[in-house]
Amino acid sequence: AQSVTQPDIHITVSEGASLELRCNYSYGATPYLFWYVPSPGQGLQLLLKYFSGDTLVQGIKGFEAEFKRSQSSFNLRKPSVHWSDAAEYFCAVIHNSGYALNFGKGTSLLVTP
Amino acid sequence: NAGVTQTPKFRVLKTGQSMTLLCAQDMNHEYMYWYRQDPGMGLRLIHYSVGEGTTAKGEVPDGYNVSRLKKQNFLLGLESAAPSQTSVYFCASSSQQQMTRAQETQYFGPGTRLLVL
Repeated sequence: AQSVTQPDIHITVSEGASLELRCNYSYGATPYLFWYVPSPGQGLQLLLKYFSGDTLVQGIKGFEAEFKRSQSSFNLRKPSVHWSDAAEYFCAVIHNSGYALNFGKGTSLLVTP
Repeated sequence: NAGVTQTPKFRVLKTGQSMTLLCAQDMNHEYMYWYRQDPGMGLRLIHYSVGEGTTAKGEVPDGYNVSRLKKQNFLLGLESAAPSQTSVYFCASSSQQQMTRAQETQYFGPGTRLLVL
């Protein structure tokens, strides 16, 4: 079964500093990977996704992620964090049904002044 | 365009009571999903549907039933609520327009907070 692991439960970053949230996947073939973040009153919002092609994916809100097959990782990055980025972030991979998503347990980001 | 809506937004139940959560989408999507989110657990798939009249079990289906009588609606039922079902429930939908299902973005509703006492 396809699954993802988010090793860090909590991350604290100073405003303006760079950010990297880790996501490791477990699947033999090329997985389809996603990063989501809750959006107040709108459920989960897709930040970016990867399914083929360029391994560096650009998303919304200044986020990017890099697919590294050698490390089985799809880490989310942002060069300069803003206080409004504080949230819980979820990495996900396509469920073995082929339709739904398998989510990681989430990483809570705290941004300090 | 409302996207995915969920009713109600918040509900308190007593153990043993029943209720139905309604999910509606206006994007003509074929696929719909119910997830639950619990602290430290991420989101877990309860049931999903790949079209009107079809349903399938996800990872954590016990204690829940679903129905997809109309393409735009996906109902999640709790026949006899238990405190372990206290959670935030998210509905999502996606289309089959693209060549590969996996490429489809899932659109999420705002969630329903359920507290079972």
